[in-house]
Amino acid sequence: AQSVTQPDIHITVSEGASLELRCNYSYGATPYLFWYVQSPGQGLQLLLKYFSGDTLVQGIKGFEAEFKRSQSSFNLRKPSVHWSDAAEYFCAVARMDSSYKLIFGSGTRLLVRP
Amino acid sequence: SQTIHQWPATLVQPVGSPLSLECTVEGTSNPNLYWYRQAAGRGLQLLFYSVGIGQISSEVPQNLSASRPQDRQFILSSKKLLLSDSGFYLCAWSGTSHEETQYFGPGTRLLVL
Repeated sequence: AQSVTQPDIHITVSEGASLELRCNYSYGATPYLFWYVQSPGQGLQLLLKYFSGDTLVQGIKGFEAEFKRSQSSFNLRKPSVHWSDAAEYFCAVARMDSSYKLIFGSGTRLLVRP
Repeated sequence: SQTIHQWPATLVQPVGSPLSLECTVEGTSNPNLYWYRQAAGRGLQLLFYSVGIGQISSEVPQNLSASRPQDRQFILSSKKLLLSDSGFYLCAWSGTSHEETQYFGPGTRLLVL
């Protein structure tokens, strides 16, 4: 069965520091992968997605993610974190059945120190 | 451009009362529609999805039901709420072809007392 693991429940970084959020997936074929961000009490906003092609994907707000098939990973990165990046981040993989439903990881909450 | 609306934004209901949450999408036709629940401190669980009017698939057995009376309207209901129904409910839409992204509404926070 497909699954998504985000091993870090919380991460705290200082403003201006670099960030990497980990995501590992379990899926037999080439996955469709997504990163979403959720501010408190809000819906989810798509940061970026990977379907095929270049394994380094650029997203909004200065985020990028790299698909590594050999490691079954899709880690999210940002070179310099801003205080406004504090939020919860969800990695997701699309189920390749007729419904194309998403399977989400449990999320990583990012705290930013001033 | 497409927009997705949910209401109410917040709801407090007593145990045993009925529930109706509404989701509507603008700017697209024949979307796939989804209901998710997010419990406190946890990820998202898919509850229902719909590929067309009157077509509802349930992902998990539960106290809730869903309906799609119109192309761009998706309703989440319950006849009798349980304490465990508390959570943050998110509606999402996507296109119907491959490589389609899901776009989420602002959510409804439900507290059952």
